[in-house]
Amino acid sequence: GQNIDQPTEMTATEGAIVQINCTYQTSGFNGLFWYQQHAGEAPTFLSYNVLDGLEEKGRFSSFLSRSKGYSYLLLKELQMKDSASYLCVQRDSNYQLIWGAGTKLIIKP
Amino acid sequence: TAGITQAPTSQILAAGRSMTLRCTQDMRHNAMYWYRQDLGLGLRLIHYSNTAGTTGKGEVPDGYSVSRANTDDFPLTLASAVPSQTSVYFCASSDGTDTGELFFGEGSRLTVL
Repeated sequence: GQNIDQPTEMTATEGAIVQINCTYQTSGFNGLFWYQQHAGEAPTFLSYNVLDGLEEKGRFSSFLSRSKGYSYLLLKELQMKDSASYLCVQRDSNYQLIWGAGTKLIIKP
Repeated sequence: TAGITQAPTSQILAAGRSMTLRCTQDMRHNAMYWYRQDLGLGLRLIHYSNTAGTTGKGEVPDGYSVSRANTDDFPLTLASAVPSQTSVYFCASSDGTDTGELFFGEGSRLTVL
């Protein structure tokens, strides 16, 4: 997406921790989402942040800094099934969604 | 639970032909969306509908049309397909809560030759 910047691909080891970063334009911000998409499948919702700070949900956590236009998705205790693309999505003040191109996460044993 | 059902799963279409991608949801969500996903790009919104009887244009509406006769169905029509419409198409719905989580169908892979 034009206004979303996230790495194209990352590699991590099973059992480890990985952080996927995302930057966005701060003007008109109204929420930040992360979706997971396995190859050949539909995206599924992971997290939603609208206030600064860390939201933890099991092995996955999402962080937001509105002043910096920055979010990250933290995946702990990586499992092979976590191999997927992770999509960063900004919602603007008109409730329109701006999708990043996604970060392909490769997990190695 | 069915959620959102899309059909067909995949289709090869000759350029110039018309095609309708079907989308049905059983969650009684008011808002529905059609996206296309192309390699290296984020999902791009084609058309949307905030409620039955209304539709709106998204980011890339040209060459596509939609209708929303009832809450459950939101078909996407390509009147005269072109090769640049080769893509994976996702239908989605939203429950209208503040979170705005989207629920996606499994996608329809369309190849236009």
